[in-house]
Amino acid sequence: AQSVAQPEDQVNVAEGNPLTVKCTYSVSGNPYLFWYVQYPNRGLQFLLKYITGDNLVKGSYGFEAEFNKSQTSFHLKKPSALVSDSALYFCAVRVSGGYQKVTFGIGTKLQVIP
Amino acid sequence: SAVISQKPSRDICQRGTSLTIQCQVDSQVTMMFWYRQQPGQSLTLIATANQGSEATYESGFVIDKFPISRPNLTFSTLTVSNMSPEDSSIYLCSVASGGESNEKLFFGSGTQLSVL
Repeated sequence: AQSVAQPEDQVNVAEGNPLTVKCTYSVSGNPYLFWYVQYPNRGLQFLLKYITGDNLVKGSYGFEAEFNKSQTSFHLKKPSALVSDSALYFCAVRVSGGYQKVTFGIGTKLQVIP
Repeated sequence: SAVISQKPSRDICQRGTSLTIQCQVDSQVTMMFWYRQQPGQSLTLIATANQGSEATYESGFVIDKFPISRPNLTFSTLTVSNMSPEDSSIYLCSVASGGESNEKLFFGSGTQLSVL
């Protein structure tokens, strides 16, 4: 079975400060890892993914995430937070190869304080 | 990428009635997915809908309660049948598209369902 843990229900950060949203995963096999963002009253949007290659992946809106195999983590980061980054962030995992079921974390609410 | 139109965006329904949610994609896709998003919980996959075959339901979800149609490669419906307050949730349709192995998921804007 595969699972995703997002240990923080909410993360508060001041505008302009760096932000980190944590994610750890468990999967049998090589993982595909994702971050999705959900703005209020809108559907989820793809933010970035790790499939293979460089452990640091860059995505939309200046976000990046680092794949750490030994710690089974895939934390989302941004050097300088914007108020407009305030949203609900979901980490997700699936096994590589063909179509595989995607498992989502519970979500972390990011609040950027002006 | 894929653009998904989902409707209705929200509805308030009476116990015992049924609601059908529609999902239209702007391109042909093999698989469409239906998720439920309950407050404080992760997205839960209800079923996978392939065109021309029966939908595949996840554990805890049954066809009688959540019948799905998939008449063509761009459209699907999910019906929530004989609703109870426990069915109050956000329902999302999704497709897999893009990337080396269609690994990206694209989502509709969701249907906020409240059952009284």
